[in-house]
Amino acid sequence: LAKTTQPISMDSYEGQEVNITCSHNNIATNDYITWYQQFPSQGPRFIIQGYKTKVTNEVASLFIPADRKSSTLSLPRVSLSDTAVYYCLVGVNDYKLSFGAGTTVTVRA
Amino acid sequence: EAGVTQFPSHSVIEKGQTVTLRCDPISGHDNLYWYRRVMGKEIKFLLHFVKESKQDESGMPNNRFLAERTGGTYSTLKVQPAELEDSGVYFCASTARGLGYNEQFFGPGTRLTVL
Repeated sequence: LAKTTQPISMDSYEGQEVNITCSHNNIATNDYITWYQQFPSQGPRFIIQGYKTKVTNEVASLFIPADRKSSTLSLPRVSLSDTAVYYCLVGVNDYKLSFGAGTTVTVRA
Repeated sequence: EAGVTQFPSHSVIEKGQTVTLRCDPISGHDNLYWYRRVMGKEIKFLLHFVKESKQDESGMPNNRFLAERTGGTYSTLKVQPAELEDSGVYFCASTARGLGYNEQFFGPGTRLTVL
């Protein structure tokens, strides 16, 4: 599994855009990049997955540069309810999801 | 549609006792996974079922842990005898075949405290 590195924590305010960058220098050709979100006292929840360029859904956008050695999860106009831990995972059809420490995002009023 | 459910939500037991955790996956999901987070550590994979068969139990810490999924529906994870280091949150997840293994649906977890 490709090792990932992401910031331990980020602070933001309501209405701002939050961008979390994940480094995965050893990503393999067949690996996908997946992001999960975890609220306190809940299990992780799948947010978005991509292979290259840009993916967008109703929750977030995922930007992946051509070399795929990093990716950025973008949360538009965050609210207090977006306060959570965000995990970047890299793998291919990897039933053994490997969670790192994640990034704790705190949104303030 | 109901999500993944886990029971109990919390369990407090004495060292040496036995505890059984239950997971009900989303109906129709053949794949069921167990993970756990022990204090201060990251979420780690324990094992993977496809229907009633264990596909991979490489993450099970030792033989005090026994997982079953009789009939391919709900699963149980038994810890016998429990030790202090078993304290943590145990998560169950499920996914349907072909959905993409990277998208798993997690339950809320069972918080186990061993005193």
